Amino acid sequence: DTVLTQSPALAVSPGERVTISCRASESVSTLMHWYQQKPGQQPTLLIYLASNLESGVPARFSGSGSGTDFTLTIDPVEADDTATYYCQQSWNDPTFGAGTKLELK
Amino acid sequence: EVQLVESGGGLVQPGRSMKLSCAASGFTFSNYGMAWVRQAPTKGLEWVATISYDGSSTYYRDSVKGRFTISRDNAKSTLYLQMNSLRSEDTATYYCTRVRPIAAGYFDYWGQGVMVTVSS
Repeated sequence: DTVLTQSPALAVSPGERVTISCRASESVSTLMHWYQQKPGQQPTLLIYLASNLESGVPARFSGSGSGTDFTLTIDPVEADDTATYYCQQSWNDPTFGAGTKLELK
Repeated sequence: EVQLVESGGGLVQPGRSMKLSCAASGFTFSNYGMAWVRQAPTKGLEWVATISYDGSSTYYRDSVKGRFTISRDNAKSTLYLQMNSLRSEDTATYYCTRVRPIAAGYFDYWGQGVMVTVSS
């Protein structure tokens, strides 16, 4: 299985720029996707195929990367962005990162 | 509006069976691959199984192969997950998801989830 590694947690202030990283154990080309999960809710798709913004998602969210290194950027961060963010690869059987919990100061 | 509504969860003893259902609406169900993704309490997301738009192809994670069966009824716009020989490690919230497109393998809509607890 392709292992995805994410930093466990981040704390930022509203209005700041935050980058959340995801590193794959092997190249996944651009078959990387990002989800947001707020407490008690189901995940929602933010970014697909590394850099494509899902319809209805604010333009404050963006994605980049290819191969093994990927980044989700939120700029500027808002209070409503408090959530856990997961990356997911589909190069082979789908796997998810362990999630990055974003907290606002 | 796309809606995915899961049902059939609950408490089940180890070794027993349970069948989950997912009623889909708001889109042409027969045009899309579908999948189940689960999340153990306080843990991350884990893909379980995927089925092609017509049911001809199915894919499973290794830990559920031979125990779980994903299926669909396109006439009823319903997805299923038959779970046999359940183990404590299968305890999780199970999400029904739409796959768009199956070749790219990402999940664009998720249901609210249904809890499955495997315990004696």
